[in-house]
Amino acid sequence: EAGVTQFPSHSVIEKGQTVTLRCDPISGHDNLYWYRRVMGKEIKFLLHFVKESKQDESGMPNNRFLAERTGGTYSTLKVQPAELEDSGVYFCASSQAEAAKNIQYFGAGTRLSVL
Amino acid sequence: AQSVTQLGSHVSVSEGALVLLRCNYSSSVPPYLFWYVQYPNQGLQLLLKYTSAATLVKGINGFEAEFKKSETSFHLTKPSAHMSDAAEYFCAVSEGGFQKLVFGTGTRLLVSP
Repeated sequence: EAGVTQFPSHSVIEKGQTVTLRCDPISGHDNLYWYRRVMGKEIKFLLHFVKESKQDESGMPNNRFLAERTGGTYSTLKVQPAELEDSGVYFCASSQAEAAKNIQYFGAGTRLSVL
Repeated sequence: AQSVTQLGSHVSVSEGALVLLRCNYSSSVPPYLFWYVQYPNQGLQLLLKYTSAATLVKGINGFEAEFKKSETSFHLTKPSAHMSDAAEYFCAVSEGGFQKLVFGTGTRLLVSP
């Protein structure tokens, strides 16, 4: 069974440009989470999807960030326009629908560098 | 609000020595606690979790952690370090169910021969 897959693994863009990160969760996982780790700091929650609905987006930093999960399968996270402080590693995680089995499985992350 | 403190951004041990990685948490509700490990160029992998059952939790690769409510701690231990244990370790807390994870800043474990 394939794990959580994230594309691209690295992205280098200039300030003001747009970047779209993609996450493919484990097949059948209704819950999808985005997290971000800024250099040297803790991994912080961004938002949580249940199928295609945003369950909790309390961690989204500002309106330059837009997350979607059309059809309840893969998800994208768009940053537009990117700023220097957006640099970091963006992680995606997914989990099953049963609360008792809510182990979040993480992808390898996308390392975003904004120059 | 929940929070996690991991003491020591780097911990160095010799191969065969005891590994002790410290984690203290703060939570207004009974917590669910997790340890994840990240090897280079890989995603976070769950080592073990505490979800209000036994206070001593055994995980993969010989790691275990003990939940101590009175000390608000969930320290990770392994009796004998292997070179392959070199990685970054993250402690996390949640309110259970499908709630978000709140992470500590991570501890990088270095293992020398």
